[in-house]
Amino acid sequence: GQSLEQPSEVTAVEGAIVQINCTYQTSGFYGLSWYQQHDGGAPTFLSYNGLDGLEETGRFSSFLSRSDSYGYLLLQELQMKDSASYFCAVASGAGSYQLTFGKGTKLSVIP
Amino acid sequence: EAQVTQNPRYLITVTGKKLTVTCSQNMNHEYMSWYRQDPGLGLRQIYYSMNVEVTDKGDVPEGYKVSRKEKRNFPLILESPSPNQTSLYFCASSSRQRVSGGQINEQFFGPGTRLTVL
Repeated sequence: GQSLEQPSEVTAVEGAIVQINCTYQTSGFYGLSWYQQHDGGAPTFLSYNGLDGLEETGRFSSFLSRSDSYGYLLLQELQMKDSASYFCAVASGAGSYQLTFGKGTKLSVIP
Repeated sequence: EAQVTQNPRYLITVTGKKLTVTCSQNMNHEYMSWYRQDPGLGLRQIYYSMNVEVTDKGDVPEGYKVSRKEKRNFPLILESPSPNQTSLYFCASSSRQRVSGGQINEQFFGPGTRLTVL
């Protein structure tokens, strides 16, 4: 089966940098994605890593090490609006259609 | 406006009364999926569809049915709902984008349907 582990909660100060880790065990692997979900809202796509290394999108970066079955999401210059839950998700199975999500990390940004 | 719509947004029903949650997307996406979200458990995939008339089970398919007769619609059917199906349900759609290292399955989620089964 598939399993993903990520911290349940993280608290960080506005303006700081925070890293949310994700380790995974899957029978197949077609990439690691990250989604953001604000309270009461729907998840929205943030980033995707298919190859090892760092992908940067504005204040957000995501990293993948396939040999370590590990990735992380890095949020820089934290803003209050970044308070949300963040989910890592692994695409497994043929064609990457089967998506398994982690249980989510609730990030609280404090002044 | 590109979007995924779900109806109803809120539903309270009783055990055993068949119900359907509709999902529709206007982005011509091939792939659609249903998830349920429960506190502490994250998002769990119920069923997914790779295209019209092609569906497959996700991680928690028991008690649910789906159909994909048209590309834009992917209804979720609960033939005999039970209280353990009380949850927040999300429909999502995507089209694959090939990139180096694989293909992004960027999923666009609907607003969610909060279902309570008494």
